[in-house]
Amino acid sequence: EIVMTQSPATLSVSPGERATLSCRASQSVSSNLAWYQQKPGQAPRLLIYGASTRATGIPARFSGSGSGTEFTLTISSLQSEDFAVYYCQQYNDWPLYSFGQGTKLEIK
Amino acid sequence: EVQLLESGGGLVQPGGSLRLSCAASGFTFSSYAMSWVRQAPGKGLEWVSSISARGGSTYYADSVKGRFTISRDNSKNTLYLQMNSLRAEDTAVYYCAKPGYCSSTSCSHFDYWGQGTLVTVSS
Repeated sequence: EIVMTQSPATLSVSPGERATLSCRASQSVSSNLAWYQQKPGQAPRLLIYGASTRATGIPARFSGSGSGTEFTLTISSLQSEDFAVYYCQQYNDWPLYSFGQGTKLEIK
Repeated sequence: EVQLLESGGGLVQPGGSLRLSCAASGFTFSSYAMSWVRQAPGKGLEWVSSISARGGSTYYADSVKGRFTISRDNSKNTLYLQMNSLRAEDTAVYYCAKPGYCSSTSCSHFDYWGQGTLVTVSS
């Protein structure tokens, strides 16, 4: 089983600033890594797949990087609507998907 | 437009059973493996089960193996999850999810999710 670990658990950032979220895999997942955003009461929304490809309709301020075991989601200039919980997910070990525990991005 | 609509959730006693459904539209359902993912209250996302496009192969998380059964009816564009011997720790919102793409051997991330259906296991 591939274990995904996200850090930090909570990140406090002011609007307009940059946010950097991390995700680490217990073994290599190549570039088979996705990021999701989830707001209260809503289903997760795909942001990034293939570690760095933005999903349809996702603003350019969201970017992903990394490969192997270390990944980063960067939000370049935080907007009010970006405060949410973010999850990483590996699909290299399909169908045994696994998710990180989430990073809550809150307003500072 | 892709739509996934779950139903069948509710309150059930420990040891009881429930069957969830996910009605799919807006894509060729029979071409994609499909999955169930759950989220306990205030917790993160947990993959539960997946089924191949034709239904011949099924996969389960250890936490539900032997108690849950995933199935599909491609003629009705519907995914199912039969849940037996339910426990308090199965309380969660259950989402069905569609992969972005599938090859002959594997599938990718989830590009569409349903709105979820809440299952509460309590006496």
